[in-house]
Amino acid sequence: KQEVTQIPAALSVPEGENLVLNCSFTDSAIYNLQWFRQDPGKGLTSLLLIQSSQREQTSGRLNASLDKSSGRSTLYIAASQPGDSATYLCAVRDYYGGATNKLIFGTGTLLAVQP
Amino acid sequence: EPEVTQTPSHQVTQMGQEVILRCVPISNHLYFYWYRQILGQKVEFLVSFYNNEISEKSEIFDDQFSVERPDGSNFTLKIRSTKLEDSAMYFCASSEPRDGYEQYFGPGTRLTVT
Repeated sequence: KQEVTQIPAALSVPEGENLVLNCSFTDSAIYNLQWFRQDPGKGLTSLLLIQSSQREQTSGRLNASLDKSSGRSTLYIAASQPGDSATYLCAVRDYYGGATNKLIFGTGTLLAVQP
Repeated sequence: EPEVTQTPSHQVTQMGQEVILRCVPISNHLYFYWYRQILGQKVEFLVSFYNNEISEKSEIFDDQFSVERPDGSNFTLKIRSTKLEDSAMYFCASSEPRDGYEQYFGPGTRLTVT
């Protein structure tokens, strides 16, 4: 059964720092991996989608990498800003001879960027 | 930019009552999903829906739950007889193959069962 873990659970950094959020998954048979942002009491905003055949994706100050064989993904945030403060979730979509539909989520990393 | 919408934003109901949560997926999407998030816990998959039928469901999605696409735009989740443990944030999502099945989520409905 696929398990997704995110480390650290919480992170506080001063504005301007570059930071890395980690996501690990137990089964490397995945179809894709998505990173989301969740603001308190709000919905999930998709940040980046990495297909299983890709190694990384970039969007603005965000860069996500995927190492399927080791079951790891990282989200790199450059030059962090107070507006980046939120919970960041990673989710994987399994693949067992055919893609399943469901995303399996990690518990998230709560990020606070101090001005 | 197209987005998934959900109504109501907050629903309070008494235990044993039926509730219907409504979603309008992105218009050209073909795959629809419901997830829930109990306060302080992970987001959990409930059900996926394609071509007017359930394609996958979790063990949470028991006989008390049902989904429907009553017309070309709405996608609903019905809970027949709510329990206290159904209190959660319910998220609708949609996707399509051209986007690599990237799932786009709505803002959620907070369901409180008293």
